[in-house]
Amino acid sequence: EVQLVQSGAEVKKSGESLKISCEGSGYNFMSFWIGWVRQMPGKGLEWMGVISPADSDTRYSPSFQGQVTFSADKSVSTAYLQWSSLKPSDTAMYFCARSFSGSYPNDAFDVWGQGTMVIVSS
Amino acid sequence: EIVLTQSPGTLSLSPGERATLSCRASQSIPSNYLAWYQQKPGQAPRLLIYGASSRAPDIPDRISGSGSGTEFTLIISRLKPEDFAVYYCQQYGGSPTFGQGTKVEVK
Repeated sequence: EVQLVQSGAEVKKSGESLKISCEGSGYNFMSFWIGWVRQMPGKGLEWMGVISPADSDTRYSPSFQGQVTFSADKSVSTAYLQWSSLKPSDTAMYFCARSFSGSYPNDAFDVWGQGTMVIVSS
Repeated sequence: EIVLTQSPGTLSLSPGERATLSCRASQSIPSNYLAWYQQKPGQAPRLLIYGASSRAPDIPDRISGSGSGTEFTLIISRLKPEDFAVYYCQQYGGSPTFGQGTKVEVK
Protein backbone atom coordinates (compact mmCIF):
# COMPACT_ATOMS: atom_id res chain seq x y z
CA GLU A 1 0.00 0.00 0.00
CA VAL A 2 1.28 3.43 -0.95
CA GLN A 3 1.23 5.71 2.07
CA LEU A 4 2.75 8.73 3.74
CA VAL A 5 2.95 8.67 7.53
CA GLN A 6 3.61 11.90 9.39
CA SER A 7 5.04 12.51 12.82
CA GLY A 8 2.78 13.30 15.75
CA ALA A 9 1.28 16.51 17.02
CA GLU A 10 3.57 19.15 18.50
CA VAL A 11 3.01 21.84 21.12
CA LYS A 12 5.77 24.45 21.17
CA LYS A 13 6.49 27.95 22.43
CA SER A 14 7.10 31.00 20.31
CA GLY A 15 10.73 31.21 19.23
CA GLU A 16 11.40 27.46 19.46
CA SER A 17 12.57 25.36 16.54
CA LEU A 18 10.75 22.37 15.11
CA LYS A 19 11.19 19.67 12.48
CA ILE A 20 8.30 17.41 11.46
CA SER A 21 8.56 14.36 9.24
CA CYS A 22 6.76 12.49 6.48
CA GLU A 23 7.80 8.90 5.74
CA GLY A 24 6.83 7.29 2.46
CA SER A 25 6.33 3.58 1.85
CA GLY A 26 4.97 1.25 -0.81
CA TYR A 27 6.56 3.09 -3.75
CA ASN A 28 9.91 4.42 -5.01
CA PHE A 29 10.24 7.42 -2.70
CA MET A 30 12.90 9.07 -4.88
CA SER A 31 10.68 9.16 -7.96
CA PHE A 32 7.97 11.52 -6.71
CA TRP A 33 8.14 15.11 -5.51
CA ILE A 34 6.78 15.60 -1.99
CA GLY A 35 4.74 18.71 -1.23
CA TRP A 36 3.71 20.47 1.97
CA VAL A 37 0.29 22.04 2.50
CA ARG A 38 -0.78 24.23 5.42
CA GLN A 39 -4.30 24.39 6.81
CA MET A 40 -4.85 26.93 9.54
CA PRO A 41 -7.70 26.23 11.99
CA GLY A 42 -11.04 26.42 10.20
CA LYS A 43 -9.43 27.64 6.97
CA GLY A 44 -8.55 26.38 3.51
CA LEU A 45 -5.53 24.72 1.98
CA GLU A 46 -2.32 26.61 1.19
CA TRP A 47 0.44 25.23 -1.05
CA MET A 48 3.76 25.75 0.72
CA GLY A 49 6.08 24.13 -1.80
CA VAL A 50 7.70 20.87 -2.83
CA ILE A 51 10.96 18.94 -2.61
CA SER A 52 12.45 16.27 -4.83
CA PRO A 53 13.76 13.44 -2.62
CA ALA A 54 16.11 12.38 -5.43
CA ASP A 55 18.29 15.51 -5.32
CA SER A 56 16.66 17.77 -2.67
CA ASP A 57 15.68 20.32 -5.31
CA THR A 58 13.12 22.60 -3.67
CA ARG A 59 10.44 25.03 -4.82
CA TYR A 60 8.83 27.34 -2.28
CA SER A 61 5.67 29.38 -2.50
CA PRO A 62 6.60 33.09 -2.22
CA SER A 63 4.42 33.21 0.90
CA PHE A 64 6.61 30.63 2.66
CA GLN A 65 10.06 31.33 1.17
CA GLY A 66 12.45 32.09 4.02
CA GLN A 67 9.90 31.07 6.66
CA VAL A 68 10.36 27.28 6.48
CA THR A 69 12.90 24.78 5.18
CA PHE A 70 12.26 21.53 3.33
CA SER A 71 14.69 18.64 3.42
CA ALA A 72 14.69 14.95 2.59
CA ASP A 73 16.66 11.83 3.48
CA LYS A 74 16.19 9.27 0.74
CA SER A 75 18.00 6.62 2.79
CA VAL A 76 15.00 6.51 5.15
CA SER A 77 12.35 7.63 2.62
CA THR A 78 11.50 10.66 4.71
CA ALA A 79 10.81 14.31 3.97
CA TYR A 80 11.00 17.05 6.58
CA LEU A 81 9.50 20.47 7.22
CA GLN A 82 11.47 22.70 9.56
CA TRP A 83 11.11 26.01 11.37
CA SER A 84 14.00 27.81 13.06
CA SER A 85 11.84 30.17 15.12
CA LEU A 86 8.15 29.41 15.48
CA LYS A 87 5.44 32.07 15.76
CA PRO A 88 1.88 31.70 17.09
CA SER A 89 0.70 32.29 13.50
CA ASP A 90 2.38 28.98 12.54
CA THR A 91 -0.36 27.16 14.45
CA ALA A 92 -1.93 24.89 11.84
CA MET A 93 -2.30 21.39 10.47
CA TYR A 94 0.49 20.53 8.06
CA PHE A 95 0.01 17.87 5.39
CA CYS A 96 2.62 16.24 3.22
CA ALA A 97 1.50 14.86 -0.12
CA ARG A 98 2.94 13.03 -3.13
CA SER A 99 3.00 14.53 -6.62
CA PHE A 100 0.62 12.70 -8.94
CA SER A 101 2.88 12.29 -11.95
CA GLY A 102 6.13 12.17 -10.06
CA SER A 103 8.06 14.06 -12.67
CA TYR A 104 7.05 17.68 -12.12
CA PRO A 105 7.23 20.03 -9.14
CA ASN A 106 3.97 21.71 -10.19
CA ASP A 107 1.47 18.89 -9.90
CA ALA A 108 -1.65 17.60 -8.25
CA PHE A 109 -1.27 15.48 -5.12
CA ASP A 110 -2.58 11.92 -5.14
CA VAL A 111 -1.39 10.49 -1.82
CA TRP A 112 -1.61 12.47 1.42
CA GLY A 113 -0.22 12.05 4.90
CA GLN A 114 -2.61 12.14 7.85
CA GLY A 115 -1.41 15.59 8.88
CA THR A 116 0.66 16.93 11.77
CA MET A 117 -0.95 19.48 14.07
CA VAL A 118 1.45 22.17 15.26
CA ILE A 119 0.36 24.45 18.10
CA VAL A 120 2.53 27.41 19.00
CA SER A 121 1.83 29.39 22.16
CA SER A 122 3.10 32.82 23.00
CA GLU B 1 0.17 34.15 -9.02
CA ILE B 2 -3.01 32.56 -10.36
CA VAL B 3 -5.90 33.26 -7.97
CA LEU B 4 -8.74 30.73 -7.86
CA THR B 5 -12.22 31.83 -6.76
CA GLN B 6 -14.73 29.12 -5.88
CA SER B 7 -18.47 29.57 -5.77
CA PRO B 8 -20.75 29.27 -4.03
CA GLY B 9 -19.16 29.34 -0.58
CA THR B 10 -21.78 26.91 0.71
CA LEU B 11 -24.18 24.67 -1.20
CA SER B 12 -27.17 23.29 0.72
CA LEU B 13 -28.62 20.24 -1.00
CA SER B 14 -30.42 16.98 -0.25
CA PRO B 15 -29.17 13.45 -0.97
CA GLY B 16 -29.98 12.50 -4.56
CA GLU B 17 -29.71 16.07 -5.83
CA ARG B 18 -27.12 17.37 -8.28
CA ALA B 19 -24.26 19.56 -7.05
CA THR B 20 -22.55 22.05 -9.34
CA LEU B 21 -19.39 23.72 -8.03
CA SER B 22 -17.51 26.46 -9.84
CA CYS B 23 -13.83 27.42 -9.87
CA ARG B 24 -12.77 30.57 -11.72
CA ALA B 25 -9.13 31.48 -12.36
CA SER B 26 -7.67 34.98 -12.55
CA GLN B 27 -5.83 33.99 -15.73
CA SER B 28 -5.90 31.07 -18.12
CA ILE B 29 -4.50 27.87 -16.60
CA PRO B 30 -1.86 26.31 -18.86
CA SER B 31 -2.79 22.87 -20.20
CA ASN B 32 -5.93 22.94 -18.03
CA TYR B 33 -3.86 21.75 -15.09
CA LEU B 34 -6.75 21.96 -12.63
CA ALA B 35 -7.48 19.45 -9.87
CA TRP B 36 -10.38 18.97 -7.45
CA TYR B 37 -10.15 17.57 -3.93
CA GLN B 38 -12.68 16.49 -1.31
CA GLN B 39 -11.97 17.02 2.37
CA LYS B 40 -14.06 15.69 5.25
CA PRO B 41 -13.66 16.93 8.84
CA GLY B 42 -10.54 15.60 10.51
CA GLN B 43 -9.26 13.99 7.31
CA ALA B 44 -6.67 14.74 4.68
CA PRO B 45 -7.89 15.92 1.28
CA ARG B 46 -8.58 13.29 -1.39
CA LEU B 47 -7.82 13.80 -5.07
CA LEU B 48 -10.97 13.52 -7.20
CA ILE B 49 -10.12 15.06 -10.57
CA TYR B 50 -6.89 16.03 -12.34
CA GLY B 51 -6.29 17.69 -15.68
CA ALA B 52 -9.71 19.36 -15.32
CA SER B 53 -11.69 16.26 -16.34
CA SER B 54 -9.81 13.03 -15.58
CA ARG B 55 -11.03 11.02 -12.62
CA ALA B 56 -8.46 9.82 -10.11
CA PRO B 57 -8.43 6.05 -9.42
CA ASP B 58 -11.47 4.70 -7.54
CA ILE B 59 -13.50 7.89 -7.98
CA PRO B 60 -17.09 7.02 -9.02
CA ASP B 61 -18.39 8.24 -12.37
CA ARG B 62 -21.13 10.32 -10.73
CA ILE B 63 -18.32 12.78 -10.00
CA SER B 64 -17.11 14.64 -13.07
CA GLY B 65 -15.02 17.67 -13.93
CA SER B 66 -15.11 19.96 -16.93
CA GLY B 67 -13.93 23.32 -18.18
CA SER B 68 -10.96 25.03 -19.71
CA GLY B 69 -9.07 28.31 -19.67
CA THR B 70 -10.41 30.20 -16.65
CA GLU B 71 -13.75 28.46 -15.94
CA PHE B 72 -13.99 25.01 -14.38
CA THR B 73 -16.82 22.98 -12.91
CA LEU B 74 -17.16 19.96 -10.64
CA ILE B 75 -20.45 18.10 -10.83
CA ILE B 76 -21.72 15.44 -8.46
CA SER B 77 -24.72 14.04 -10.29
CA ARG B 78 -26.59 12.36 -7.42
CA LEU B 79 -25.40 13.26 -3.96
CA LYS B 80 -24.80 10.43 -1.54
CA PRO B 81 -24.38 10.93 2.23
CA GLU B 82 -20.61 10.48 1.92
CA ASP B 83 -20.38 13.39 -0.56
CA PHE B 84 -21.19 16.06 2.00
CA ALA B 85 -17.79 17.69 2.54
CA VAL B 86 -15.63 20.64 1.52
CA TYR B 87 -14.31 20.73 -2.04
CA TYR B 88 -11.19 22.57 -3.20
CA CYS B 89 -9.87 23.29 -6.66
CA GLN B 90 -6.13 23.60 -7.25
CA GLN B 91 -4.27 24.84 -10.29
CA TYR B 92 -0.81 23.49 -11.09
CA GLY B 93 -0.22 25.13 -14.44
CA GLY B 94 1.90 27.74 -12.67
CA SER B 95 3.15 27.90 -9.11
CA PRO B 96 0.29 25.92 -7.55
CA THR B 97 -2.53 27.58 -5.65
CA PHE B 98 -5.80 26.42 -4.10
CA GLY B 99 -9.23 27.95 -4.16
CA GLN B 100 -10.87 28.87 -0.86
CA GLY B 101 -13.26 25.90 -0.90
CA THR B 102 -16.97 25.15 -1.29
CA LYS B 103 -18.83 23.41 1.50
CA VAL B 104 -21.57 21.01 0.40
CA GLU B 105 -23.94 20.59 3.33
CA VAL B 106 -27.15 18.73 3.98
CA LYS B 107 -30.24 20.84 3.44
